[in-house]
Amino acid sequence: DIQMTQSPSTLSASVGDRVTITCQASQDITNYLNWYQQKPGRPPKLLIFHASNLETGVPSRFSGSGSGTLFTFTISSLQPEDIATYYCHQFDNLPFTFGQGTKLEI
Amino acid sequence: EVHLVQSGAEVKKPGESLKISCKASGYNFNTYWIGWVRQMPGKGLEWMDIIYPGDSDTRYNPPFQGQVTISADKSITTAYLHWSSLQASDSAMYYCARCSGSGNSCYYFDHWGQGTLVTVSS
Repeated sequence: DIQMTQSPSTLSASVGDRVTITCQASQDITNYLNWYQQKPGRPPKLLIFHASNLETGVPSRFSGSGSGTLFTFTISSLQPEDIATYYCHQFDNLPFTFGQGTKLEI
Repeated sequence: EVHLVQSGAEVKKPGESLKISCKASGYNFNTYWIGWVRQMPGKGLEWMDIIYPGDSDTRYNPPFQGQVTISADKSITTAYLHWSSLQASDSAMYYCARCSGSGNSCYYFDHWGQGTLVTVSS
């Protein structure tokens, strides 16, 4: 199985900050990576697909980049409603695997 | 508009069977993969399985193979997850999700159900 390692596990930031989360794959997954946001008590929500494509309706302050084994998710200016846990997800090979999550706190 | 509506919370005893459902609407059910994702209390996301309703092709994550069965009823655009014998360790939130991609591939989960909480306790 492809292991996905996110860092950090927890991130404390302030409104307006630029926030970056990293996801490292245990092998090359080209750009077969997605990012999801999960707020407490809610299902996950797709934000970024294929590493850098913004899902329809998602604010442009969210972005993703990377290829191969190292990927980055960025919030350009943190808003209070961005408090959530963020997960990366690889779909290069079955079984699909998720990162362990990054809990974002303000 | 795409909607996935899951069945309600369940409380079961170890050894009992259970089938939870996910009613899809707003898209062609036959031409998108749909799957299940487990989230144990306070933990992360685990992909369990997917099914392509058009031909009932299925894929399982090995730890869940033989433990659960995914199925779909095209006539009522509903996907199911079935356990024949529950264990306490099956207590979790279960999400169904539509999987999209180019052609009939499964690349990303773009629509999610609200979740079904399963509690297994004696």
